[in-house]
Amino acid sequence: RKEVEQDPGPFNVPEGATVAFNCTYSNSASQSFFWYRQDCRKEPKLLMSVYSSGNEDGRFTAQLNRASQYISLLIRDSKLSDSATYLCVVNPSSGDKLTFGTGTRLAVRP
Amino acid sequence: DTGVSQDPRHKITKRGQNVTFRCDPISEHNRLYWYRQTLGQGPEFLTYFQNEAQLEKSRLLSDRFSAERPKGSFSTLEIQRTEQGDSAMYLCASSFEGGITDTQYFGPGTRLTVL
Repeated sequence: RKEVEQDPGPFNVPEGATVAFNCTYSNSASQSFFWYRQDCRKEPKLLMSVYSSGNEDGRFTAQLNRASQYISLLIRDSKLSDSATYLCVVNPSSGDKLTFGTGTRLAVRP
Repeated sequence: DTGVSQDPRHKITKRGQNVTFRCDPISEHNRLYWYRQTLGQGPEFLTYFQNEAQLEKSRLLSDRFSAERPKGSFSTLEIQRTEQGDSAMYLCASSFEGGITDTQYFGPGTRLTVL
């Protein structure tokens, strides 16, 4: 079993749609959780950290369920510029190496 | 630009040659990480440094790979006797351990093609 599992997609949605990505992780002792965004042939960039209480940043909402070892990302009112690969990332402990999922590809069409 | 920088951005080499990549982290960051990413996969951890000390190496880092961070600032990753399977994007990231956040920031990567 992979340490971090994601549906690779692609998710093809029209502009304005709401789309949700899910991710599961295997290490129950993991401490930090993130969503990174990666554009084609570019480096990953931090989109948002994920907290147990859930957190929101504009159109983006991330949630963590430690009991189920499940992380989600919700994107509302999708824009063409949201087209990218979204990487679910787990950090076993502070300052430690990051463990990435394979990424979920999102394509937003006009 | 005060972000993480990597050099070269692209490298094409023939099988069996040695290559060396450089990473310059964000100046106040004490941790530096190397990852490798192949097409359709997420980045995979290779090794990391705290200041000049190499704290962990992945089993992916075979004997042909060596990384250094001699003065706790920039780092180099050398691959000896390259193989076609080494073709990948090599990503460097840095972070500050001990601060409010330990977010890792990535450089633009070095894309290696082994012919």
